[in-house]
Amino acid sequence: NAGVTQTPKFRILKIGQSMTLQCTQDMNHNYMYWYRQDPGMGLKLIYYSVGAGITDKGEVPNGYNVSRSTTEDFPLRLELAAPSQTSVYFCASSGGTNYEQYFGPGTRLTVT
Amino acid sequence: GEDVEQSLFLSVREGDSSVINCTYTDSSSTYLYWYKQEPGAGLQLLTYIFSNMDMKQDQRLTVLLNKKDKHLSLRIADTQTGDSAIYFCAAMDTGRRALTFGSGTRLQVQP
Repeated sequence: NAGVTQTPKFRILKIGQSMTLQCTQDMNHNYMYWYRQDPGMGLKLIYYSVGAGITDKGEVPNGYNVSRSTTEDFPLRLELAAPSQTSVYFCASSGGTNYEQYFGPGTRLTVT
Repeated sequence: GEDVEQSLFLSVREGDSSVINCTYTDSSSTYLYWYKQEPGAGLQLLTYIFSNMDMKQDQRLTVLLNKKDKHLSLRIADTQTGDSAIYFCAAMDTGRRALTFGSGTRLQVQP
């Protein structure tokens, strides 16, 4: 199993550009999450999904959109990038009776 | 919502024990976690404890939970330089199965 994979690893965007951060898990987990980590801080929940076709907002959803058309994939879309979105983005998944949350390696995004 | 607090910094000498503390506010949090993050890296799950437990031991790691005071601690025995990292405490919202993280404690291990 590859676990949780994220692409790209790094990205630099100009203000106003858009992009999609990809996240895939191969553990057949129902639950998937997007977190962001600002420098020197803990992770904050952006969006989550409890299953294919179901998504909901976390604590910091503004400026982002998500979709969950399959169990495996949970892409995060930034429509109009702003400097405040400079952060490291982590995708995670969880499933079954195991309450562990498995994290991807992260995407480091800089908006200038 | 849930709020998780940690002290920012801890410095210990190699071979000593380290104790990292965490407090949380939501008494309904059923799982509490400790993650380790090295510079530029992702999060590594160290251990977690279910809220009906007081203690969990895993090799050099001991987690203590005081539900009354909503206090969680992580003890690392015989701390090594490789333990230098940021340690995050997190509490699970069982409805969403999402985590609320503290800001992290930077552990510095001096040789």
